[in-house]
Amino acid sequence: AQSVTQLDSQVPVFEEAPVELRCNYSSSVSVYLFWYVQYPNQGLQLLLKYLSGSTLVESINGFEAEFNKSQTSFHLRKPSVHISDTAEYFCAVRGVFDAGNMLTFGGGTRLMVKP
Amino acid sequence: EAGVAQSPRYKIIEKRQSVAFWCNPISGHATLYWYQQILGQGPKLLIQFQNNGVVDDSQLPKDRFSAERLKGVDSTLKIQPAKLEDSAVYLCASSWDRSDTQYFGPGTRLTVL
Repeated sequence: AQSVTQLDSQVPVFEEAPVELRCNYSSSVSVYLFWYVQYPNQGLQLLLKYLSGSTLVESINGFEAEFNKSQTSFHLRKPSVHISDTAEYFCAVRGVFDAGNMLTFGGGTRLMVKP
Repeated sequence: EAGVAQSPRYKIIEKRQSVAFWCNPISGHATLYWYQQILGQGPKLLIQFQNNGVVDDSQLPKDRFSAERLKGVDSTLKIQPAKLEDSAVYLCASSWDRSDTQYFGPGTRLTVL
């Protein structure tokens, strides 16, 4: 079984400032890692994922996350945030050899970008 | 390509009443998931279907929750009778197969009074 901890429930930041949303996971097996974003009154959208290969993965809108196996972390970063990045961000994990496709989510981090 | 559709978007009922939610996955997606998202928490998987068969329902409270996916396309999730703690957003997701990225619908927000 896996678990995910998102250390910050809320992160306020000014527009154009850098941001890091922290995610740590616990698992006894190899994992796939995901970041989903949820805008108000909308469903979750996949932001980026790590399956294998390069430990640094990027999204089309400037976010990146780095898989750190020794630290069991998958922190999400953006060098300069916009007002439109205001949303809830969820980190999720799935065991590589799971028969199903069950995602285990963290509790979420609300990113609040202020002008 | 149309996304995952869910209805209704909002539902308010009193405790001990019954309620049903409907989900239409992305066309061609064989795997369908129902998640429960309680306010302030991440989504929790309730049940996973592969076509019209159940893959995982270990976290579904089977004394009051039921789900079906007739013909391997649309799915319904039912709660009977509802309790106050069932107040949550119910999310449906689908994927091509059991290893692929999951795509989520907008959810149904249930309030139990």
